[in-house]
Amino acid sequence: SAVISQKPSRDICQRGTSLTIQCQVDSQVTMMFWYRQQPGQSLTLIATANQGSEATYESGFVIDKFPISRPNLTFSTLTVSNMSPEDSSIYLCSVDAGRGAYEQYFGPGTRLTVT
Amino acid sequence: AQSVTQLDSQVPVFEEAPVELRCNYSSSVSVYLFWYVQYPNQGLQLLLKYLSGSTLVKGINGFEAEFNKSQTSFHLRKPSVHISDTAEYFCAVSDSRSGGYNKLIFGAGTRLAVHP
Repeated sequence: SAVISQKPSRDICQRGTSLTIQCQVDSQVTMMFWYRQQPGQSLTLIATANQGSEATYESGFVIDKFPISRPNLTFSTLTVSNMSPEDSSIYLCSVDAGRGAYEQYFGPGTRLTVT
Repeated sequence: AQSVTQLDSQVPVFEEAPVELRCNYSSSVSVYLFWYVQYPNQGLQLLLKYLSGSTLVKGINGFEAEFNKSQTSFHLRKPSVHISDTAEYFCAVSDSRSGGYNKLIFGAGTRLAVHP
């Protein structure tokens, strides 16, 4: 299995600012995923990031609000832009386990509070 | 599109009692099913998965799940729970037709609370 780290682990931000979350994997992976988990809720997929191409966003999420970078096969960033209190959530990155496995491995998450 | 329904938002149980967490999914030609656990302030950890073959799947920490195609269910069970099993449990489905990568769709989660 892959070991995934995220930075920061938590942050408190002011309304209107932006935060960039980093996701680092200890091995090369093709697909990386970003999820949002609002308080007391399940996980919602924000976008899928494939190295070397533009991220694919799910319905309800747009690139201007959640720009994603994927510069190489072990790293990705998610930026939460122009934040409002409604963006207070846990943001998790995950990676595809690879061909024939179908599951995903998850990072520990970034707990974001917007005041 | 695939969907997952977890029928119980919270399940309280006493230590050493058996537990079943229920999960139903929408029908599909081919489906892969997963149970994840999230301990407080942590990410998600895979408990078990069903891809094909035997319908009874055994996972970590003494958990098992049974795939029932006719009832489109994938219920999670443990014969005797411990205090340390207190966590949020998520059922997820991967639609094998989702365009070349394994998009996971999660249920709403079930909070298992084990009491002494």
